[in-house]
Amino acid sequence: KAGVTQTPRYLIKTRGQQVTLSCSPISGHRSVSWYQQTPGQGLQFLFEYFSETQRNKGNFPGRFSGRQFSNSRSEMNVSTLELGDSALYLCASSFSTSGYNEQFFGPGTRLTVL
Amino acid sequence: DAKTTQPTSMDCAEGRAANLPCNHSTISGNEYVYWYRQIHSQGPQYIIHGLKNNETNEMASLIITEDRKSSTLILPHATLRDTAVYYCIVRVLNAGNMLTFGGGTRLMVKP
Repeated sequence: KAGVTQTPRYLIKTRGQQVTLSCSPISGHRSVSWYQQTPGQGLQFLFEYFSETQRNKGNFPGRFSGRQFSNSRSEMNVSTLELGDSALYLCASSFSTSGYNEQFFGPGTRLTVL
Repeated sequence: DAKTTQPTSMDCAEGRAANLPCNHSTISGNEYVYWYRQIHSQGPQYIIHGLKNNETNEMASLIITEDRKSSTLILPHATLRDTAVYYCIVRVLNAGNMLTFGGGTRLMVKP
């Protein structure tokens, strides 16, 4: 069974631009969560989607948004990019949102903001 | 979710058992202990979780103290491929999939 896939794997943007990252969960998984990883702040939860609805949201500004499609694929968008948004963005998929099922992480998208 | 405390780094000889401690003194009765690891440049990988009984799977064993204020992850025969950052996470179930990662322990397995 294919794992979680994220595209693109690497991205370079400049300040003020916006970016969209994509995550395809494992087949049959309906929950997708997003995380930001930076050297200074570590791994931080962004948001979780289940059945096209946002279920949980981390402490990030409104510039960070996401959505989930009917096929469970998810996208996250960051508008008005700042230098501090440079990070590894990880998504994780799970069968349900109960927390009982194991979460599987993708390889991440490394975003560099210049 | 309760806060966890882990050593910043540890070394282990290849082939020996790696014992990674975690303190979670404020853990609540309905909170589980989870362990994930992150090998360099990859996404985190689930290892094991438990509530109060010791747990074992093909990757590791989890020993939780009787008062549940601390736990130890044991990799019985560490290999070079086990070099990674190991995260101990305490969380309730039925509250979504959000994971709160701390700093973790950087385990270096040496030949």
